[in-house]
Amino acid sequence: AQSVAQPEDQVNVAEGNPLTVKCTYSVSGNPYLFWYVQYPNRGLQFLLKYITGDNLVKGSYGFEAEFNKSQTSFHLKKPSALVSDSALYFCAVRVTSGTYKYIFGTGTRLKVLA
Amino acid sequence: GAGVSQTPSNKVTEKGKYVELRCDPISGHTALYWYRQSLGQGPEFLIYFQGTGAADDSGLPNDRFFAVRPEGSVSTLKIQRTERGDSAVYLCASSLGQGPDEQYFGPGTRLTVT
Repeated sequence: AQSVAQPEDQVNVAEGNPLTVKCTYSVSGNPYLFWYVQYPNRGLQFLLKYITGDNLVKGSYGFEAEFNKSQTSFHLKKPSALVSDSALYFCAVRVTSGTYKYIFGTGTRLKVLA
Repeated sequence: GAGVSQTPSNKVTEKGKYVELRCDPISGHTALYWYRQSLGQGPEFLIYFQGTGAADDSGLPNDRFFAVRPEGSVSTLKIQRTERGDSAVYLCASSLGQGPDEQYFGPGTRLTVT
């Protein structure tokens, strides 16, 4: 069965420090990988995606993520966290063929402390 | 420009009743997705439309759930004989095409079945 795991319910980081939000996946084919963010009282917003090519992808608001095929991971990173980055982050995967179904993780709440 | 809109924003219904939830995607987006999000969980895929047709309905939990998109724009999710377990936030998203494009999410409809 295909799945996405976000092992941390919450990540706390001090403002200005680097942040990492972890995501691992299990699919039966090649994956398309995504990160979305949900701010309070707002809808899910796209951050970045990996389709093919360079394993390091850059996205909105200074975020980046690294696709690691051997570890089946797609961790979200940012070199210097801002208080305004505090939100709920979701990792999602879709296999490249046979389905249009997206599978989302359970979300990780990021709290950046001033 | 206008984003994805969903109506109503909140719906309270009694167990056993029928409900319709509406989604207006971004103009020109041919792909439309419905998801269900329960508290503390990520979005759960329900159905995907490409144009007017349901290209993947593998996420619909049972035959009480049905969705249409008759003109390839607005979509309606229909739930018959509602059960308390159907209570959740129902999200709609649209994207440009059938490729792995970023999805634009609406604010959701919070359904409460009493």
